[in-house]
Amino acid sequence: EPEVTQTPSHQVTQMGQEVILRCVPISNHLYFYWYRQILGQKVEFLVSFYNNEISEKSEIFDDQFSVERPDGSNFTLKIRSTKLEDSAMYFCASSGVNWAGELFFGEGSRLTVL
Amino acid sequence: SQQGEEDPQALSIQEGENATMNCSYKTSINNLQWYRQNSGRGLVHLILIRSNEREKHSGRLRVTLDTSKKSSSLLITASRAADTASYFCATPLEYNNNDMRFGAGTRLTVKP
Repeated sequence: EPEVTQTPSHQVTQMGQEVILRCVPISNHLYFYWYRQILGQKVEFLVSFYNNEISEKSEIFDDQFSVERPDGSNFTLKIRSTKLEDSAMYFCASSGVNWAGELFFGEGSRLTVL
Repeated sequence: SQQGEEDPQALSIQEGENATMNCSYKTSINNLQWYRQNSGRGLVHLILIRSNEREKHSGRLRVTLDTSKKSSSLLITASRAADTASYFCATPLEYNNNDMRFGAGTRLTVKP
């Protein structure tokens, strides 16, 4: 069964460093998303991406964040200068061509900022 | 806020009992979805109910939707220890049906 894959599963970084989280969405999907979840808390929307551009972004998604679909298969989230409060689980999701509403999530990338 | 809010925040029941979780939302929607998350894992889609539907079943899951009250409920019947997880409702943006927003979730514990 097709799945969304995310790498790395866990990344530890120093405050101020740049981090790139990678996602490979399901191959024929057109809509891509990043969400984050601080431990035990709600799932927060960061950004949605469609037709090679950002569709929606939240207040969290400030100038330190960017997304890219560099090669037609990967979908990346970059955090330019990490802060302690960026420590969270980051989930990538995608949804399909014939929109049935369902989001398919990856297993997440845990980011720890020290 | 456009996301749904689940109630209760946490629920603990015995195996075999039914579990009911509720979700309230604020905007007009064309569908509402429920997802499950095992601890530390990704979210998994459970069921989608459209705004013209009042009730939907999938196995031991029953979802209701009351658009007049802007609320939904998820019922898990004959619960099992393996149902222990967090359950989230998700609603789309009013102006962009492709974008889903999630509530804080209900943490369900089913004791064997």
